[in-house]
Amino acid sequence: AQKVTQAQTEISVVEKEDVTLDCVYETRDTTYYLFWYKQPPSGELVFLIRRNSFDEQNEISGRYSWNFQKSTSSFNFTITASQVVDSAVYFCALSEVGFQKLVFGTGTRLLVSP
Amino acid sequence: DGGITQSPKYLFRKEGQNVTLSCEQNLNHDAMYWYRQDPGQGLRLIYYSQIVNDFQKGDIAEGYSVSREKKESFPLTVTSAQKNPTAFYLCASSPGGGSEQYFGPGTRLTVT
Repeated sequence: AQKVTQAQTEISVVEKEDVTLDCVYETRDTTYYLFWYKQPPSGELVFLIRRNSFDEQNEISGRYSWNFQKSTSSFNFTITASQVVDSAVYFCALSEVGFQKLVFGTGTRLLVSP
Repeated sequence: DGGITQSPKYLFRKEGQNVTLSCEQNLNHDAMYWYRQDPGQGLRLIYYSQIVNDFQKGDIAEGYSVSREKKESFPLTVTSAQKNPTAFYLCASSPGGGSEQYFGPGTRLTVT
């Protein structure tokens, strides 16, 4: 069975600090996709990134970066120089290739204070 | 503008009443999904549909029903059989094939 664990329930930082959100996953499949979503206070989930299991290259998009390590089954998300607008709940998710169900972690609430 | 709309944003019902939540998308996506979110928890899949006139149960389908008569629409009915219906409901769509899902703004249902 697939499972996604986000052990950090809530993280509080001060603006401009760097912060890393952890995601550990379990799957028996060799081919799968990993995702990160952001849920601001408005409630709508915003897609951030998709990574397939064959691509272990780290990705950077502005202040966001993702570290995918198959050896430790982790897909961690780092925000550099955090801003108040980054305050949200962040979800990591997993899906099998060709099987469209997403399995979500329980989310990490990030609070960035000025 | 392309996107997913859910209506209404807030919905209040009395216990014992069925209620239907609307979800419409104009992204021309084949697949659509319904999730339930409870406070402090992740999203749990209720139903999903990969094609018109076909849908499958997710992890928590009991007490819910859906239909997929049109590609653009995937309404969810919360029946009186659902023991604890108060929650935040999110609809999503996807082109399929492992692509990311795109979410609507959600409907917050309160049953008293």
